[in-house]
Amino acid sequence: GAGVSQSPRYKVAKRGQDVALRCDPISGHVSLFWYQQALGQGPEFLTYFQNEAQLDKSGLPSDRFFAERPEGSVSTLKIQRTQQEDSAVYLCASSRDRWKETQYFGPGTRLLVL
Amino acid sequence: AQKVTQAQTEISVVEKEDVTLDCVYETRDTTYYLFWYKQPPSGELVFLIRRNSFDEQNEISGRYSWNFQKSTSSFNFTITASQVVDSAVYFCAPYQGGSEKLVFGKGTKLTVNP
Repeated sequence: GAGVSQSPRYKVAKRGQDVALRCDPISGHVSLFWYQQALGQGPEFLTYFQNEAQLDKSGLPSDRFFAERPEGSVSTLKIQRTQQEDSAVYLCASSRDRWKETQYFGPGTRLLVL
Repeated sequence: AQKVTQAQTEISVVEKEDVTLDCVYETRDTTYYLFWYKQPPSGELVFLIRRNSFDEQNEISGRYSWNFQKSTSSFNFTITASQVVDSAVYFCAPYQGGSEKLVFGKGTKLTVNP
């Protein structure tokens, strides 16, 4: 595709609800990243995939956060039992290969937990 | 540990002024990669430039130029003849050593007034 796409663009959830955020990377990109951006802050790393393998999940804030990329292309970030502190923009990025390649970002999903 | 500092929180200029955004990256790594991204009000992170630690040549792209000085750990970004469309938050982001995660500074919010 032309760029990284994410859906939905906006999501309002009630506290305790489960949500699933989708990312479609640039076609052919091997690596996929998820970042969380709180209001007024820079993005913070959550997790990283190379193809279908999740190689780094050190940034996931709790075991309520789960990410998958089963076929090495589309990825889903799932948040279980959402809390108000989960409210943020969730950014997905992809890169052509591994090893310090340029990451291209999608438009993000803005999650609001009430 | 790596540390990226964008000391300027907000900058406001009048259209056609030149403006320089500062970034200082502290690391013990001898090889590293640095990026600048732009985040306009729409929210999408837009890639601007990628540089590595062994290439200290300055780079110019249209109205944008970058000055990388390894001796002072600085990677500054200058916009010449600023325009209203340059209004955005600008992030400096190195790859964290030994990983594939970008570490973002807090960003500098640039406002260009007509």
